[in-house]
Amino acid sequence: AQSVTQPDIHITVSEGASLELRCNYSYGATPYLFWYVQSPGQGLQLLLKYFSGDTLVQGIKGFEAEFKRSQSSFNLRKPSVHWSDAAEYFCAVGPLGSQGNLIFGKGTKLSVKP
Amino acid sequence: NAGVTQTPKFQVLKTGQSMTLQCAQDMNHEYMSWYRQDPGMGLRLIHYSVGAGITDQGEVPNGYNVSRSTTEDFPLRLLSAAPSQTSVYFCASSGGMSSYNEQFFGPGTRLTVL
Repeated sequence: AQSVTQPDIHITVSEGASLELRCNYSYGATPYLFWYVQSPGQGLQLLLKYFSGDTLVQGIKGFEAEFKRSQSSFNLRKPSVHWSDAAEYFCAVGPLGSQGNLIFGKGTKLSVKP
Repeated sequence: NAGVTQTPKFQVLKTGQSMTLQCAQDMNHEYMSWYRQDPGMGLRLIHYSVGAGITDQGEVPNGYNVSRSTTEDFPLRLLSAAPSQTSVYFCASSGGMSSYNEQFFGPGTRLTVL
């Protein structure tokens, strides 16, 4: 069955520290891959996406993600976290050729210490 | 463009009441969907539509109805509200394969059923 796993429910990092949020997926072929961010009380905003080509993709707000086919992973990274990055982050996969359904992970909540 | 809009932002219902959550998009997207978000559960697909007149069930469709009479609108109906339907509801739209299934989300409706 198709699934997305975000192993970390809650992560706390210090401001200025680096960040890596993990995402693993189970799917029969290479899907489209997305990271969304949700600030408290807000809707979901797209951070970045991977369709094909270069496996390191750049997104908004200084985030990047790397697709590793051999590990079925799409981890999100940021070299230096800002207090405003505190939010919940969702990884999602969308199968090729579908009507558009995305499968979401359960999310990772990021807290930032001053 | 307003993108994806949802009304109302907040709603309190009593058990057994019915209501309709409104969703509209102005991007001429064929694909629209409804998700519910519950703590620790991520986003779960309720219903989706691949075009006017075409709808289908997602992961958690029970207790909800949808219809799609126009490309722009995709209302979600709760027929007889239950406390288990207390949640935050998000509507999303996508251009489908032409936009690699990237989904655009509305701001959400927070529903409480007493």
